[in-house]
Amino acid sequence: EDKVVQSPLSLVVHEGDTVTLNCSYEVTNFRSLLWYKQEKKAPTFLFMLTSSGIEKKSGRLSSILDKKELFSILNITATQTGDSAIYLCAVEALTGNQFYFGTGTSLTVIP
Amino acid sequence: NAGVTQTPKFQVLKTGQSMTLQCAQDMNHEYMSWYRQDPGMGLRLIHYSVGAGITDQGEVPNGYNVSRSTTEDFPLRLLSAAPSQTSVYFCASSYDAGATGELFFGEGSRLTVL
Repeated sequence: EDKVVQSPLSLVVHEGDTVTLNCSYEVTNFRSLLWYKQEKKAPTFLFMLTSSGIEKKSGRLSSILDKKELFSILNITATQTGDSAIYLCAVEALTGNQFYFGTGTSLTVIP
Repeated sequence: NAGVTQTPKFQVLKTGQSMTLQCAQDMNHEYMSWYRQDPGMGLRLIHYSVGAGITDQGEVPNGYNVSRSTTEDFPLRLLSAAPSQTSVYFCASSYDAGATGELFFGEGSRLTVL
């Protein structure tokens, strides 16, 4: 059964802290892994990863994929209250045209 | 660019009523899909379509119907609503039939079934 597991389920940190969010997967015919940020409404795209070991960066956020160990991490440095959100990990399968989502990590950043 | 537009944003139904959630995209995306999001369950795929005239079931299709008569529109129908269908529904589209790249989401429709 294809599945995506995220950890931790929730996290509370203080502004300025660095956090690491985890995503492990078991998906047949892996194509890509995507990270999304969801605040009050629709998820918004952060990163798409297809190759192992190549870090993607956007400001204070970065992500990397390990296709051998079947996981990805999302790092956020110098967290701000605006980073408070649910972070979703999704894996796209080559066959079946499906995206499999994890349950998300709820991040709360306290001033 | 409107992107993915969902209507209505909120709906309250009584058990047994029917309704349609509308989804339209103006990006000429081949791939469209419907998800439901429930607390602790993440996003679960209901139905998807890889092009006009083609639909398929996702992880949780029971109780829902879809059709894809045009590239732009992908409505989700609840024929006889049940309280278990209380959820937030998201429509999402992607660039090509191979579903490569990111999903573009609508803003969601919150449905309550009493």
